[in-house]
Amino acid sequence: DGGITQSPKYLFRKEGQNVTLSCEQNLNHDAMYWYRQDPGQGLRLIYYSQIVNDFQKGDIAEGYSVSREKKESFPLTVTSAQKNPTAFYLCASSPEQGYGYTFGSGTRLTVV
Amino acid sequence: GNSVTQMEGPVTLSEEAFLTINCTYTATGYPSLFWYVQYPGEGLQLLLKATKADDKGSNKGFEATYRKETTSFHLEKGSVQVSDSAVYFCALSDRGNYGGSQGNLIFGKGTKLSVKP
Repeated sequence: DGGITQSPKYLFRKEGQNVTLSCEQNLNHDAMYWYRQDPGQGLRLIYYSQIVNDFQKGDIAEGYSVSREKKESFPLTVTSAQKNPTAFYLCASSPEQGYGYTFGSGTRLTVV
Repeated sequence: GNSVTQMEGPVTLSEEAFLTINCTYTATGYPSLFWYVQYPGEGLQLLLKATKADDKGSNKGFEATYRKETTSFHLEKGSVQVSDSAVYFCALSDRGNYGGSQGNLIFGKGTKLSVKP
């Protein structure tokens, strides 16, 4: 079955460490997105990519980095520059910009 | 700019009660409208959508009608169940404005629904 897979489901990081969250899709979607979700704050867009080898900053890109070397994959790195990284991270994809999204099941990142 | 406003929660209902979650939008073009649902600890799932004025989206007993004259897309269900307890997000996509960030989905802040037996 086609879908979008995020791993790991739970991730713990020590302060000062970089960590990479995985997002893989086999839907043949061109566009992919990363969102951050904090309690009571809805979804905030971190980065998005409309095509391979191209990506754009969203509303809260500082302290994050991404790559899009393959159509299927859009990993997110949370760097030590992100001051408050503890959150629930959601990856999504769509056939092209503007269509409904398919979401992964999320990664909960906790800084310890 | 484009935006989505949802009624603030939490909304608490008894089983079999009628549900309405209000959603209004602001958009410069002709947006598509969506409702997503998020169960605890999970990602968002598309619940229903409508792509033009007067369209009605429906799924699993939920309905929403695209009202251009009132710029609204309210979610309704005639008889809620405990299993409907979740967070509901209204979203729009202004596909008339491709390029940049304007073609991305814009989400409301979410409305938490709790249904008691």
